[in-house]
Amino acid sequence: SYVLTQPPSVSVAPGQTARITCGGNNIGSKSVHWYQQKPGQAPVLVVYDDSDRPSGIPERFSGSNSGNTATLTISRVEAGDEADYYCQVWDSSSDHRPWVFGGGTKLTVL
Amino acid sequence: QVQLVQSGAEVKKPGASVKVSCKASGYTFTSYDINWVRQATGQGLEWMGWMNPNSGNTGYAQKFQGRVTMTRNTSISTAYMELSSLRSEDTAVYYCAREGSSAASFDYWGQGTLVTVSS
Repeated sequence: SYVLTQPPSVSVAPGQTARITCGGNNIGSKSVHWYQQKPGQAPVLVVYDDSDRPSGIPERFSGSNSGNTATLTISRVEAGDEADYYCQVWDSSSDHRPWVFGGGTKLTVL
Repeated sequence: QVQLVQSGAEVKKPGASVKVSCKASGYTFTSYDINWVRQATGQGLEWMGWMNPNSGNTGYAQKFQGRVTMTRNTSISTAYMELSSLRSEDTAVYYCAREGSSAASFDYWGQGTLVTVSS
């Protein structure tokens, strides 16, 4: 089955740029979605299809995807961005249409 | 506005079954697939399966094949996820999520239902 690898944690100072990676075999050929989850809350979609933002998501959130790595970039990080972030892809190699999540990255704002 | 409202917390004994509901509002229920995702305490998200509310077709993660059943009642715009032969490792928060039209991402999520399996 397809595996997505994320760093367990990323730390950044307020106002700086955070980059959260999601590694997978030839992930650049897949459509990657990113979710933000704050403690005690359901996940929220922040980037879909590699780099598009749902309405209401700040422009500070952006995404890219190439080769074996997809990246979620959060510019001008704020304290409110502290959360867990998960990447997600569809494993098209399976006939059960399974979705796969990365293990998640905890973003700490110093 | 789109909302997915799930049923309340459950406590079950090992070997029992649990059925969680997910009531949709604010959109045409039969137009979007519903997925179920669970999260054990302090752990990541784990996809369980999907259901097409229009046809009733389903697809389950291999890990849950034979133990999970996803159904729906279109007259009340509600999806259900039933998990059987519960064990302690099934203790988790269970979420329903709508698979939207934006590259099939999960654009709306329920609030989650805590299922505790304990003797």
